[in-house]
Amino acid sequence: AQSVTQLDSQVPVFEEAPVELRCNYSSSVSVYLFWYVQYPNQGLQLLLKYLSGSTLVKGINGFEAEFNKSQTSFHLRKPSVHISDTAEYFCAVISSSNTGKLIFGQGTTLQVKP
Amino acid sequence: KAGVTQTPRYLIKTRGQQVTLSCSPISGHRSVSWYQQTPGQGLQFLFEYFSETQRNKGNFPGRFSGRQFSNSRSEMNVSTLELGDSALYLCASSFSGGVEQFFGPGTRLTVL
Repeated sequence: AQSVTQLDSQVPVFEEAPVELRCNYSSSVSVYLFWYVQYPNQGLQLLLKYLSGSTLVKGINGFEAEFNKSQTSFHLRKPSVHISDTAEYFCAVISSSNTGKLIFGQGTTLQVKP
Repeated sequence: KAGVTQTPRYLIKTRGQQVTLSCSPISGHRSVSWYQQTPGQGLQFLFEYFSETQRNKGNFPGRFSGRQFSNSRSEMNVSTLELGDSALYLCASSFSGGVEQFFGPGTRLTVL
């Protein structure tokens, strides 16, 4: 079985500062990894994904994440945040042998302050 | 290309009633997955359909069911509604492998 832990429930940060949202996962099989963002009263938007290849993946809106297999982590980073980045962020995994079923972390609320 | 659409966007029902939610996937996508989002439990997988067959199922009671039509559109049904079924129901579509999923805006169900 897989599980995902997002280490921070809330992350407050000032505008133009860097941010890191932490995600660890547990799985006995190989997985694919994702970050999604959810704005109020909306569905989930895919930020970026790791399927294979380079462990540093770049996504939309200037976000990037690094897959670390030895530490089973997939932390999300942005060098300079904007007010518009205020939202909830979800880390998710899907097993290569059990596709169709995303397992989500509990979410991290990013609060960008002016 | 149009995104995933879900109807209706909002629903209010009373305990004991049943409800049907609809999801139209992105054109060409054949896999549809459903999720329930609540403040307490977060995002939980309900089931996945591919080519009109349920391919994967989460840990929800039998009151939750779904189906998929030949055009890949999917519906989910909840019978005998309970207060705890109040949630945002999200569907997501993917091309075939069910890996990279694209989500719709969700249906907000309130059970009174």
